[in-house]
Amino acid sequence: EAGVAQSPRYKIIEKRQSVAFWCNPISGHATLYWYQQILGQGPKLLIQFQNNGVVDDSQLPKDRFSAERLKGVDSTLKIQPAKLEDSAVYLCASSPGQGVGGYTFGSGTRLTVV
Amino acid sequence: QKEVEQNSGPLSVPEGAIASLNCTYSDRGSQSFFWYRQYSGKSPELIMSIYSNGDKEDGRFTAQLNKASQYVSLLIRDSQPSDSATYLCAVKNQAGTALIFGKGTTLSVSS
Repeated sequence: EAGVAQSPRYKIIEKRQSVAFWCNPISGHATLYWYQQILGQGPKLLIQFQNNGVVDDSQLPKDRFSAERLKGVDSTLKIQPAKLEDSAVYLCASSPGQGVGGYTFGSGTRLTVV
Repeated sequence: QKEVEQNSGPLSVPEGAIASLNCTYSDRGSQSFFWYRQYSGKSPELIMSIYSNGDKEDGRFTAQLNKASQYVSLLIRDSQPSDSATYLCAVKNQAGTALIFGKGTTLSVSS
């Protein structure tokens, strides 16, 4: 089966600019996650979707970050305006449902804010 | 605040030795436990999952879980240079919630 697709792979922007990342989960996977991984740290959950509904966005900085999954399939994460501390890898993952199992990550988008 | 703690390392072992990676978690209600391997510049890859107390073996990897001590470990037997990576411990508190990750332990296997 095809894996989790993410684009772009790399992005460099200036602070205060906006940026968007795209994710297409594994076919049929109802649950989609966006994680932020800062260099030297473990991934931190930003938002979890179940189909097109938000399950958990408690750690999403809502003043600058937004995410949507309008048709319950692919998803977009946006940052506006970006800050230097947003430099990180943004990882998308998906799972078949909300069970106890683990999930598969995409290749990630490395964002550098200068 | 639910937390997952790992020693960041680096942990250095010679080729052929056993590498032991440890993880503790704060939420006693946690139900499922995972080990991910992450090579430099790559995304995390699931290598082991464990749900009940005891040991689970898969090839050269053994995951151990002790819920009373809130402790999870990963043993890598016959370590190879290709095992050099960061190993992330992840915990799911209950069905429906997302994984909480530790900071990872960097393993270096020298030939």
